[in-house]
Amino acid sequence: SQQGEEDPQALSIQEGENATMNCSYKTSINNLQWYRQNSGRGLVHLILIRSNEREKHSGRLRVTLDTSKKSSSLLITASRAADTASYFCATTGGTASKLTFGTGTRLQVTL
Amino acid sequence: DTAVSQTPKYLVTQMGNDKSIKCEQNLGHDTMYWYKQDSKKFLKIMFSYNNKELIINETVPNRFSPKSPDKAHLNLHINSLELGDSAVYFCASSQGQSDYGYTFGSGTRLTVV
Repeated sequence: SQQGEEDPQALSIQEGENATMNCSYKTSINNLQWYRQNSGRGLVHLILIRSNEREKHSGRLRVTLDTSKKSSSLLITASRAADTASYFCATTGGTASKLTFGTGTRLQVTL
Repeated sequence: DTAVSQTPKYLVTQMGNDKSIKCEQNLGHDTMYWYKQDSKKFLKIMFSYNNKELIINETVPNRFSPKSPDKAHLNLHINSLELGDSAVYFCASSQGQSDYGYTFGSGTRLTVV
């Protein structure tokens, strides 16, 4: 089964607005990562946050991690049409080198 | 230069056939993976190799056999293809275990008819 559940499943906003996606996971983790997938393309790594970190920024991206609640959020500020894609959270944990993905959020940014 | 390249990009084949998907990475990464993405966009790991050694083998039918001739290549061979094998297969690589982002290939869309 999937490690993470993402919420919402789909999100539609206008250009310039902020987009927030949430991810919940079930077991302890080493780190949590966010990936973007444009339609018909591969996944692109966006940002990684370690289990001992609470917040991380990269450009217009802000990620938070709450290990007590087993949840993370991805905030995209000042969204652009080019941000339209599916966004996946993914976790690693244990001894195996395995990235376990969430169910994904489809983001649509309209002009 | 493409970091992780997969071939072919599209593969349409009949049930019962045997097919292979090739993957190569030029990043010098030591770990490579095969993931399957189904029609609902769920991504699930199939196999992982570290320096040519199999380290992850999820519950995958034994019709699927990965082969890693060297740490830059990880191929996936599928025997006796079934309709349910239709999916997008992604190759990925990473350096070290778990603490770094993965680099994904652009995917191979397999359609079994």
